[in-house]
Amino acid sequence: DAGVTQSPTHLIKTRGQQVTLRCSPKSGHDTVSWYQQALGQGPQFIFQYYEEEERQRGNFPDRFSGHQFPNYSSELNVNALLLGDSALYLCASSFPAGGYEQYFGPGTRLTVT
Amino acid sequence: RKEVEQDPGPFNVPEGATVAFNCTYSNSASQSFFWYRQDCRKEPKLLMSVYSSGNEDGRFTAQLNKASQYVSLLIRDSQPSDSATYLCAVNTRGSYIPTFGRGTSLIVHP
Repeated sequence: DAGVTQSPTHLIKTRGQQVTLRCSPKSGHDTVSWYQQALGQGPQFIFQYYEEEERQRGNFPDRFSGHQFPNYSSELNVNALLLGDSALYLCASSFPAGGYEQYFGPGTRLTVT
Repeated sequence: RKEVEQDPGPFNVPEGATVAFNCTYSNSASQSFFWYRQDCRKEPKLLMSVYSSGNEDGRFTAQLNKASQYVSLLIRDSQPSDSATYLCAVNTRGSYIPTFGRGTSLIVHP
């Protein structure tokens, strides 16, 4: 049973560029959430997708956008990258109908220079 | 006051010790509580869910005190392999999203 997968594992971008991160949920899960984790901090919620719609959003600017596909996989897009966007980006999937236990992927480490 | 607070530590303990971490939450409408383990530069992994008064799994026990608004994690007979950061997450009624604390670092010395 495949767990949550994310790609790429590492990424280096320059300020002002755009980035797309990808996530495939655990088998049987239909809900995908994205988090940003800075060093020494807990994961900060960006948004959650369910039935291809953004169901809930955290306190992140519009530069952060996402999408969920019919197969439940998801993308996170960040435009106009800032140095402060450097972090570990985690995708988590959860049970049908949005259960509360979150199962995380290995993350994408983004460095903005 | 932050929604979910944890002492960042680190807690340095010898192998075999019993160690406990507390996680306090500010929203009285919180109803679901989780402990995650996160190894350095890895993803958080679900350790335990707490929906009522507590939960136990081997050497790990979680207890919920709703009156004082905290949830604790107790690790008995700690092992060097328990060295990690322990994240507390709390769900509020009506929200699908847990709020995470910043985590507590544990180092168990052989």
